Amino acid sequence: NAGVTQTPKFQVLKTGQSMTLQCAQDMNHEYMSWYRQDPGMGLRLIHYSVGAGITDQGEVPNGYNVSRSTTEDFPLRLLSAAPSQTSVYFCASSYETGLNTEAFFGQGTRLTVV
Amino acid sequence: GENVEQHPSTLSVQEGDSAVIKCTYSDSASNYFPWYKQELGKRPQLIIDIRSNVGEKKDQRIAVTLNKTAKHFSLHITETQPEDSAVYFCAASIRYGGSQGNLIFGKGTKLSVKP
Repeated sequence: NAGVTQTPKFQVLKTGQSMTLQCAQDMNHEYMSWYRQDPGMGLRLIHYSVGAGITDQGEVPNGYNVSRSTTEDFPLRLLSAAPSQTSVYFCASSYETGLNTEAFFGQGTRLTVV
Repeated sequence: GENVEQHPSTLSVQEGDSAVIKCTYSDSASNYFPWYKQELGKRPQLIIDIRSNVGEKKDQRIAVTLNKTAKHFSLHITETQPEDSAVYFCAASIRYGGSQGNLIFGKGTKLSVKP
């Protein structure tokens, strides 16, 4: 049982490039989400999904797209990277949204946009 | 928008002393309040959580209290040890769209426990 797996762990992009951050969970969790963590800012919600085929925006969605074609996978796409997107990105999953159960985090992706 | 305020941003204590971190939230519909510990370079991990129908919860040296009327909740760590040094985040459930399952986080408290 691997939990929540994110790839890559580190990435450097040039301004304007696109890329996809991968997130997979093997716990059959309904709920998945993406956060970004910046110094002194805590964790801010980018996008979330309550199940396969359903996604919605969080606090800071601009510049990011998501899709949820399977229960296991929830990739985050940066369409045209900007220096302001330099951050550490965490994917999280939890069993059920209604009961507010524990959120399990991936190990994070450190992204630098130059 | 909804937010969670967390204080203090840094906290330094001597080993064996107690540490208290406080959070306030704005969404009166929030009903779940977890606390996460994040060690340097690691992922956040849940250490304790409390639901809105409970006023206090304890797990060994860690306790959380919740005051729904005042919209604040606190983390208490007793008999602190050097391995408690980390960044601690409080969070509250909020509603985005039709889901009450999203979490909004405080900005974190860096706790340093000096031997």
